[in-house]
Amino acid sequence: GQQVMQIPQYQHVQEGEDFTTYCNSSTTLSNIQWYKQRPGGHPVFLIQLVKSGEVKKQKRLTFQFGEAKKNSSLHITATQTTDVGTYFCAGPRGAQKLVFGQGTRLTINP
Amino acid sequence: DTAVSQTPKYLVTQMGNDKSIKCEQNLGHDTMYWYKQDSKKFLKIMFSYNNKELIINETVPNRFSPKSPDKAHLNLHINSLELGDSAVYFCASSPSWGSQETQYFGPGTRLLVL
Repeated sequence: GQQVMQIPQYQHVQEGEDFTTYCNSSTTLSNIQWYKQRPGGHPVFLIQLVKSGEVKKQKRLTFQFGEAKKNSSLHITATQTTDVGTYFCAGPRGAQKLVFGQGTRLTINP
Repeated sequence: DTAVSQTPKYLVTQMGNDKSIKCEQNLGHDTMYWYKQDSKKFLKIMFSYNNKELIINETVPNRFSPKSPDKAHLNLHINSLELGDSAVYFCASSPSWGSQETQYFGPGTRLLVL
């Protein structure tokens, strides 16, 4: 079935460095969602992208949806220790299911 | 105040036992879900209910039986627990059914089968 592939699986950065995680699908997505899970916590919704080429910003976070609606990225500028966690993208599979990528686990050296 | 709550938070049990996890949401949502997150953090949907009716039933062993007494509650009963059932189980809800809906997750139940 349709899968959402996410890379990298792990990323370790120095505080203040930028971070990017990428999400790719073999099929066109009607929308894509991003979630963040802090260590020991639960996934929390960040944003949803719907339009081709859409770019949305939340403070230091920039989310992009590709022109072909098959890929997406999350970029964090000047990471802070509060950004630590696992970032998931999630895309639809059929009309009802949301399929999560494998997640990118971000760790930060203060 | 908690939007989606789960009990218990931790569950340690012996292989072969039967256990239940409860979930409640006070968001007024129509749709609820159970997800399993393994040690590699992979989140996999197990079941989904919309207005108490089962709409998603993934390939899950029939030892797992969900039950939704009303649209605010979704419980998960697991029979004959196995070592491989050890994981974090998340309940979630969304306003309606559909893959475009935002999902609101509960705090998780950490199950360890010994």
